[in-house]
Amino acid sequence: GAVVSQHPSWVICKSGTSVKIECRSLDFQATTMFWYRQFPKQSLMLMATSNEGSKATYEQGVEKDKFLINHASLTLSTLTVTSAHPEDSSFYICSATGTRQETQYFGPGTRLLVL
Amino acid sequence: AQRVTQPEKLLSVFKGAPVELKCNYSYSGSPELFWYVQYSRQRLQLLLRHISRESIKGFTADLNKGETSFHLKKPFAQEEDSAMYYCALMTGGTSYGKLTFGQGTILTVHP
Repeated sequence: GAVVSQHPSWVICKSGTSVKIECRSLDFQATTMFWYRQFPKQSLMLMATSNEGSKATYEQGVEKDKFLINHASLTLSTLTVTSAHPEDSSFYICSATGTRQETQYFGPGTRLLVL
Repeated sequence: AQRVTQPEKLLSVFKGAPVELKCNYSYSGSPELFWYVQYSRQRLQLLLRHISRESIKGFTADLNKGETSFHLKKPFAQEEDSAMYYCALMTGGTSYGKLTFGQGTILTVHP
């Protein structure tokens, strides 16, 4: 089956630093990748949609300059949380779709804690 | 704008009892609906989608366009069904592939 990985699985950083999270599709080419944020025992909130080779489309209320998304290849997308603050602490999840876009495959998530 | 509502945040049943997780949606276009499940400490995974009309792990869901519902049902719940369940709506047009999730329902099946 289609597998999506994320790295790192968890990260602790100081306030003001930037953190990069990688999302990789391991056995298929991901034409589209999605980034979500999830708070404890709550739903997934879509942050942005990225297509390989083009700029990401951000959801309303998501700061583009705060959450930089790069989708440079068909197997890799990165989310960089710039100048992180404690309120950015959360669980970040990516998903990817191949040519059959009706199915999203989810990564295991990255837990970010900003001190 | 599209919206997915799961009215029950928590649902508890005993093993062997029937279970129904409710999902209602609002969307002006033709909906494609999904149920995703997240077991403890595992990633989100697809359980079933309405276009497939399939039964996975004994679960079924029927799209009712008149009631704008896509409830998930299982006649005899098992302890291993305990998990977080999300109903999701896929939008079309230029946003094709984008999922809108409900708030989720935590199902606990007691022995």
